[in-house]
Amino acid sequence: DIVMTQSPDSLAVSLGERATINCKSSQSVLHSSSNNNYLAWYQQKPGQPPRLLIYWASTRESGVPDRFSGSASGTDFTLTISSLQAEDVAVYYCQQFYRIPWTFGQGTRVEI
Amino acid sequence: EVQLLESGGGLEQPGGSLRLSCAASGFIFNNYAMSWVRQAPGQGLEWLSFINGRGDRTQYAQSVEGRFTVSRDNRESTMYLQMNSLRAGDTATYYCAKSKYSSGNDAFDVWGQGTVVTVSS
Repeated sequence: DIVMTQSPDSLAVSLGERATINCKSSQSVLHSSSNNNYLAWYQQKPGQPPRLLIYWASTRESGVPDRFSGSASGTDFTLTISSLQAEDVAVYYCQQFYRIPWTFGQGTRVEI
Repeated sequence: EVQLLESGGGLEQPGGSLRLSCAASGFIFNNYAMSWVRQAPGQGLEWLSFINGRGDRTQYAQSVEGRFTVSRDNRESTMYLQMNSLRAGDTATYYCAKSKYSSGNDAFDVWGQGTVVTVSS
């Protein structure tokens, strides 16, 4: 199984400041024919289902504010919130959809 | 509006069975693979099962292989999860999720609100 490891487990960021969440996969999730990393980021607020933010490591889902961005370097992935807003308080998960079983990171809690 | 609505959760004894349903609307159901994902109380997300658009290919996580069965009725735009031999460790909120594209190896772009399964005597 591909293990997804997120860091940190939690972080507190001031309003308007940058939040950076890291995710490392135990093996490559790069789909060679498309040259896309099969990596997604989700946001989950309390009592709600997850919401897709980013797919293919850096493609923002429709309707997601542009303060959310994703990047990749090999097996290291980053979700950045450029200017944290109060409504961004949530748990964030990375997920690989390259190989079944599809696996999630353990989650990163973002607080103000 | 694209929507998924789960039902069928509840309290069941260890060793018992439940069948979850996921009713879809707002998109051409048989064009998309679907999955079940669960979340134990206070824990992270665990992918459980996948079914392709035609319903003739399924995959399972090792934790539920042989106990859970995913199926779909494309005429009714509904996916199911038959859960047998339930254990306390199956206690969780169960979500159905839609693959973003038709290939199946995709992110989940639509999620239901979840249905709660509690396994306890």
